[in-house]
Amino acid sequence: EPEVTQTPSHQVTQMGQEVILRCVPISNHLYFYWYRQILGQKVEFLVSFYNNEISEKSEIFDDQFSVERPDGSNFTLKIRSTKLEDSAMYFCASKRQGGETEAFFGQGTRLTVV
Amino acid sequence: GIQVEQSPPDLILQEGANSTLRCNFSDSVNNLQWFHQNPWGQLINLFYIPSGTKQNGRLSATTVATERYSLLYISSSQTTDSGVYFCAVVASGTYKYIFGTGTRLKVLA
Repeated sequence: EPEVTQTPSHQVTQMGQEVILRCVPISNHLYFYWYRQILGQKVEFLVSFYNNEISEKSEIFDDQFSVERPDGSNFTLKIRSTKLEDSAMYFCASKRQGGETEAFFGQGTRLTVV
Repeated sequence: GIQVEQSPPDLILQEGANSTLRCNFSDSVNNLQWFHQNPWGQLINLFYIPSGTKQNGRLSATTVATERYSLLYISSSQTTDSGVYFCAVVASGTYKYIFGTGTRLKVLA
């Protein structure tokens, strides 16, 4: 069964450093998402991406964050200068189309900022 | 925006017991999914169920979209069922999933 793959599974970084979280969505999917879950809290929407541009973003997704689909298969989330409060589980998801279709989530990347 | 509330927030069961988890949402939805978050933090997709009823082994789910709720049934619970269960919905006219508050389930041996 096709799946969404995220790498790395766990990343530890120093405060102020840049991190790039990587995702390989399912190959024929057109809609891509990043979500975040701070430990013990619910999963929060960050950003959606369609047709090579951001289609929606939340208030969490400020100028420190950016997304890119650099090569037609990978979908990345960059955090420019990490803060302690960026420590969270980050999930990538993809959907074949925007309407009534199932979203497939990756296994997550646990980011720890020290 | 749409509000998604789950109940109960916490649930402790003895192995073999049955349970019902509820997800209420405040507006009409196009999509609804149930997830199990395992102890490693991974989100495991249980059901894609914008309406109707589905069953998969010991688990089943029902969504009554017109009444704005969904139920997840777990029968003959096992210790491996422990974790957090989330429902997530897509409000009509939008494309992003909004997650519920979660139900933390602990099944005791």
